[in-house]
Amino acid sequence: KAGVTQTPRYLIKTRGQQVTLSCSPISGHRSVSWYQQTPGQGLQFLFEYFSETQRNKGNFPGRFSGRQFSNSRSEMNVSTLELGDSALYLCASSGESGETQYFGPGTRLLVL
Amino acid sequence: GESVGLHLPTLSVQEGDNSIINCAYSNSASDYFIWYKQESGKGPQFIIDIRSNMDKRQGQRVTVLLNKTVKHLSLQIAATQPGDSAVYFCAENRGSSNTGKLIFGQGTTLQVKP
Repeated sequence: KAGVTQTPRYLIKTRGQQVTLSCSPISGHRSVSWYQQTPGQGLQFLFEYFSETQRNKGNFPGRFSGRQFSNSRSEMNVSTLELGDSALYLCASSGESGETQYFGPGTRLLVL
Repeated sequence: GESVGLHLPTLSVQEGDNSIINCAYSNSASDYFIWYKQESGKGPQFIIDIRSNMDKRQGQRVTVLLNKTVKHLSLQIAATQPGDSAVYFCAENRGSSNTGKLIFGQGTTLQVKP
């Protein structure tokens, strides 16, 4: 079974731009969670989608948004990028409970 | 922000020795715990999990112990190998109202000396 895939793997943007990251879950998984990983804050939960609905949300500003498609693929968008948004963005997929999560390799975002 | 605590940021062990990585959590409502391994340039890799109705679970060369009384979790790695060198995270799920949300500790870097 293929694992979680994320595209792109690396991205460089400038302040004020927006970015869209994509995540394809493990086949059969309907829950996708997104996390931000930075050296200072560690792994922080952004949001979780299940059956195209946001089921849970972390404490991030509204500039961070996401969506899920009918095939369970998910995207997250960050608008008006700030330098502090530079991070590794990870998505994880799981079954209906959203508990046992399997991570993708991440998208490394650098904001200049 | 929310976090699960880990006792040591770095643990250095000799190849072949056993490793013990500790984690403390604060929320009594947490009912599910996972250990992840993250190698440089990769996403976290699932190692082993345990539910709050258990106090011990074993996998291949790994054992997780859960002490709910003192809210403590540990990961034991037997016969540590160079390939075990990585950052290890504990994560917790705080019940059904937090579906899909894992709270992660800060991580312990395991260094294996040959």
